[in-house]
Amino acid sequence: KNEVEQSPQNLTAQEGEFITINCSYSVGISALHWLQQHPGGGIVSLFMLSSGKKKHGRLIATINIQEKHSSLHITASHPRDSAVYICAVISSSGGSQGNLIFGKGTKLSVKP
Amino acid sequence: EPEVTQTPSHQVTQMGQEVILRCVPISNHLYFYWYRQILGQKVEFLVSFYNNEISEKSEIFDDQFSVERPDGSNFTLKIRSTKLEDSAMYFCASRMSQNNEQFFGPGTRLTVL
Repeated sequence: KNEVEQSPQNLTAQEGEFITINCSYSVGISALHWLQQHPGGGIVSLFMLSSGKKKHGRLIATINIQEKHSSLHITASHPRDSAVYICAVISSSGGSQGNLIFGKGTKLSVKP
Repeated sequence: EPEVTQTPSHQVTQMGQEVILRCVPISNHLYFYWYRQILGQKVEFLVSFYNNEISEKSEIFDDQFSVERPDGSNFTLKIRSTKLEDSAMYFCASRMSQNNEQFFGPGTRLTVL
């Protein structure tokens, strides 16, 4: 059973479209990360959040702790946004040392 | 801007050989992690390291694996006798404190033949 589920698995959008990627998790968490993985493999942290909403440029991340759900939104999408977006959580269990539990990722392709 | 670095970027080895993957975390960070990603699969946690000792490890991190912070700057992952299924991208990450985000290195692609 996957503790972190993302949807959709694959997403194709036209340049300029508003994009939403969803993440649901089944464990108690202390924080949630949204990460971006480029075709070359490198991973970049976009957001870490534990409540509410964060915004950085055209990216917005929200989290609902009660519903165990987070969303990543991209406004005015651009071909350079094409990447795999990964949701990862930090369990709030006593033994956790901050290691991340990852979802499978959402592969986004933005067409010009 | 400070970043996590990893060497080598790509390592090819024969089955049964020992490999050491190297990471230099960001200098004022205190928590260190190794993750791996088998091609086409999700990223998986291997081990966390704090205060010069392993703080948590996954079931993947068996006796063939070890970590070390030999000199206060490098953080290494050793695989004693590599298997074909160890072929993966290995990521190092670090963070300053429990409340801060993790920063990832660019990864080392390990290929075991």
